[in-house]
Amino acid sequence: DTAVSQTPKYLVTQMGNDKSIKCEQNLGHDTMYWYKQDSKKFLKIMFSYNNKELIINETVPNRFSPKSPDKAHLNLHINSLELGDSAVYFCAAGQSNTGELFFGEGSRLTVL
Amino acid sequence: QQQVKQSPQSLIVQKGGISIINCAYENTAFDYFPWYQQFPGKGPALLIAIRPDVSEKKEGRFTISFNKSAKQFSLHIMDSQPGDSATYFCAASYTGGFKTIFGAGTRLFVKA
Repeated sequence: DTAVSQTPKYLVTQMGNDKSIKCEQNLGHDTMYWYKQDSKKFLKIMFSYNNKELIINETVPNRFSPKSPDKAHLNLHINSLELGDSAVYFCAAGQSNTGELFFGEGSRLTVL
Repeated sequence: QQQVKQSPQSLIVQKGGISIINCAYENTAFDYFPWYQQFPGKGPALLIAIRPDVSEKKEGRFTISFNKSAKQFSLHIMDSQPGDSATYFCAASYTGGFKTIFGAGTRLFVKA
């Protein structure tokens, strides 16, 4: 059983389209995150949710809208995709009092 | 103040040699300093972590050295193996911060 699973693994789409990435964790952890990894491998936090509540929004454009229907799920919807959105998006889960993060395998988004 | 600076950007080591990666931070509120290992096509995975109340932590061939006064920490990989070839990220977070800040990553290649 995969601890943090995200789908799809690959997305290829045209500029201006809308796309969603789903994430589920079976660890029972109270916090979930979205990170963006660019072509230079830099990992930047986008959002963090604690017990379904948005805690961190790191000045991400409002075209990106996360949603957490419950503590085990955190989805990411992106409107009006731009070329610069091409990246690998990682979902992660962690327990807020330990610091350790468990990452999914990533969703590679390519905007043409 | 939230940055974590990592060096070198890339590293080539002979099999059996020692790999050393360094990181520096600014925010003295950080209280958890993990190292993550990432293989191509996979998400980062926790390798080893340290809290500032100790100066060194060793797990197998991997050792973290921590210098609180200098605000620096480093990862030492002893007896480096080709299977250690990956990207390594240092990171920092603080309890209740709901955010882990990553260094820029170091691509390690271990020559057989």
